[in-house]
Amino acid sequence: EAGVAQSPRYKIIEKRQSVAFWCNPISGHATLYWYQQILGQGPKLLIQFQNNGVVDDSQLPKDRFSAERLKGVDSTLKIQPAKLEDSAVYLCASSQTPDRGSSYNEQFFGPGTRLTVL
Amino acid sequence: DAKTTQPPSMDCAEGRAANLPCNHSTISGNEYVYWYRQIHSQGPQYIIHGLKNNETNEMASLIITEDRKSSTLILPHATLRDTAVYYCIVINYGQNFVFGPGTRLSVLP
Repeated sequence: EAGVAQSPRYKIIEKRQSVAFWCNPISGHATLYWYQQILGQGPKLLIQFQNNGVVDDSQLPKDRFSAERLKGVDSTLKIQPAKLEDSAVYLCASSQTPDRGSSYNEQFFGPGTRLTVL
Repeated sequence: DAKTTQPPSMDCAEGRAANLPCNHSTISGNEYVYWYRQIHSQGPQYIIHGLKNNETNEMASLIITEDRKSSTLILPHATLRDTAVYYCIVINYGQNFVFGPGTRLSVLP
């Protein structure tokens, strides 16, 4: 079974430039997540999609970050304009919709995109 | 904020059991304990989860105290490939994961 794919793996940009990341989840997974992981910290959820609708974007800095999941499959995360503090690894994860009453909630993570803002 | 407290780092000798503690003293009755790990340059990987009873799978065992205020993840025979950051997470059904800084486990040869 193919895992979660992300590209690019690495990106270096100047501050105030724009950047976009792409994620292809595991086939059949309805839920897709974008996380930001700053060096030395655990991942922080930015946005969660259920199919092509947004479930939770409460921690997404909407003045500069945007995300979409057209057709409920692939997703892109964009930063425009980037700031120095956006330097981080951006992780995409996907999961099946948990069965009602089931405790099982495994998220499958991609390898991430390491962004450096200079 | 994460609802758990973990030691920032631990060492373990290769071949020995690695016991990673987690404190979750404010856990509520419906909340589960999940463990993930993150090997360097990879995304986090699910290990195990539990509610009240001890759980075991091919990767690890999870021991939850009777009052559920703490738990221990046990890797029975640690290998060098188990070197990673281990995250203990407490969540309820439908909630999203909140990752703390985790425990950096170093398995030493």
